[in-house]
Amino acid sequence: AQTVTQSQPEMSVQEAETVTLSCTYDTSENNYYLFWYKQPPSRQMILVIRQEAYKQQNATENRFSVNFQKAAKSFSLKISDSQLGDTAMYFCAFMTRNSGYALNFGKGTSLLVTP
Amino acid sequence: KAGVTQTPRYLIKTRGQQVTLSCSPISGHRSVSWYQQTPGQGLQFLFEYFSETQRNKGNFPGRFSGRQFSNSRSEMNVSTLELGDSALYLCASSLQGQGSNTEAFFGQGTRLTVV
Repeated sequence: AQTVTQSQPEMSVQEAETVTLSCTYDTSENNYYLFWYKQPPSRQMILVIRQEAYKQQNATENRFSVNFQKAAKSFSLKISDSQLGDTAMYFCAFMTRNSGYALNFGKGTSLLVTP
Repeated sequence: KAGVTQTPRYLIKTRGQQVTLSCSPISGHRSVSWYQQTPGQGLQFLFEYFSETQRNKGNFPGRFSGRQFSNSRSEMNVSTLELGDSALYLCASSLQGQGSNTEAFFGQGTRLTVV
């Protein structure tokens, strides 16, 4: 079975600080895609960052970066210079060819950014 | 360009009734996927349509069905509603949904409440 585990149900960080959200996954496939999605109170899922498993270089998007450890099946998200607008649920997800490219989501981490 | 549009935003139905939800993808996107989000089960994949054909299906009972029209708009139908079908139903569109074109853009969802 392919699973995604987010071990931190809730996290809190102060504005301007850095926070890391954890994610581990399990798959027997070698080629897959990893994602972090953000879901603010508006409910719309927004793609934060993506990583192709065949790429060794960690993806970066402005203040968001990932630490992809393929052997450990770990895919953590680092948010630098946290802003109040980063308050949201964050979901780690992956998709594989054998799963028909359906997104397989973790349970999510609720991140609260405080002033 | 316009994003993914889901209608209606909110819906209240009675047990035993049926319901149809609609999703208009981003112009040019041919893949439409549906997900169910509940507090208990999290985000679960329902099915994916591409060029009017169901290409992938999740582990849901046959009461859940869908279709896609020639303009890529998709509808999802749930028959004989149960209380447990109360959820946020999210639609996502992507160019092709496979390979390198896997970035999924989500709508704001339809909140279905079954009473």
